[in-house]
Amino acid sequence: QKEVEQNSGPLSVPEGAIASLNCTYSDRGSQSFFWYRQYSGKSPELIMSIYSNGDKEDGRFTAQLNKASQYVSLLIRDSQPSDSATYLCAGKYNNNDMRFGAGTRLTVKP
Amino acid sequence: NAGVTQTPKFQVLKTGQSMTLQCAQDMNHNSMYWYRQDPGMGLRLIYYSASEGTTDKGEVPNGYNVSRLNKREFSLRLESAAPSQTSVYFCASSEGLGEGTDTQYFGPGTRLTVL
Repeated sequence: QKEVEQNSGPLSVPEGAIASLNCTYSDRGSQSFFWYRQYSGKSPELIMSIYSNGDKEDGRFTAQLNKASQYVSLLIRDSQPSDSATYLCAGKYNNNDMRFGAGTRLTVKP
Repeated sequence: NAGVTQTPKFQVLKTGQSMTLQCAQDMNHNSMYWYRQDPGMGLRLIYYSASEGTTDKGEVPNGYNVSRLNKREFSLRLESAAPSQTSVYFCASSEGLGEGTDTQYFGPGTRLTVL
């Protein structure tokens, strides 16, 4: 079963705080993981991809992957109101099959 | 470059009618995807094409057919629309050559209502 699960939220944090988004997956066959951001009424866009255990940092964003626990997370430091969006976790399986979680809606309050 | 384009942007159908959603990409990508997005459900993969000449079922293929017309174009057909197919449909593409080339680029979406 190829499932990706996220806490649906909503998650609310004050401006400047750290937002923590979590995702679990059920199939160990997934090797690649992605975080997409989707503003209301818009298309998803990639924030981070992660392929190996550990942390990957890009600016204010850090993705973490733990394959033993089948867990992926995204940390957003110094959260800004412009980070308010829905964040989608995705896992890629063999032959480019992709599965997305339901998304977590984040609100950053000024 | 236009990226990924989809037509139409909006469509209203009556139950039982058929229609084809069109998708094209100008990034020379190998892989293309069709998703539907319903409130609270995230993106669900309908069909995908890992490369020109191949198509595979995703998570929710029932009621849909696809055609990978050429490397640029990937169409989604609803043969007999049902109200349960009311959704926003996204097309996406990626290079699809393995790790590091699998970022998906999404089109603007088609908002479909079936009455």
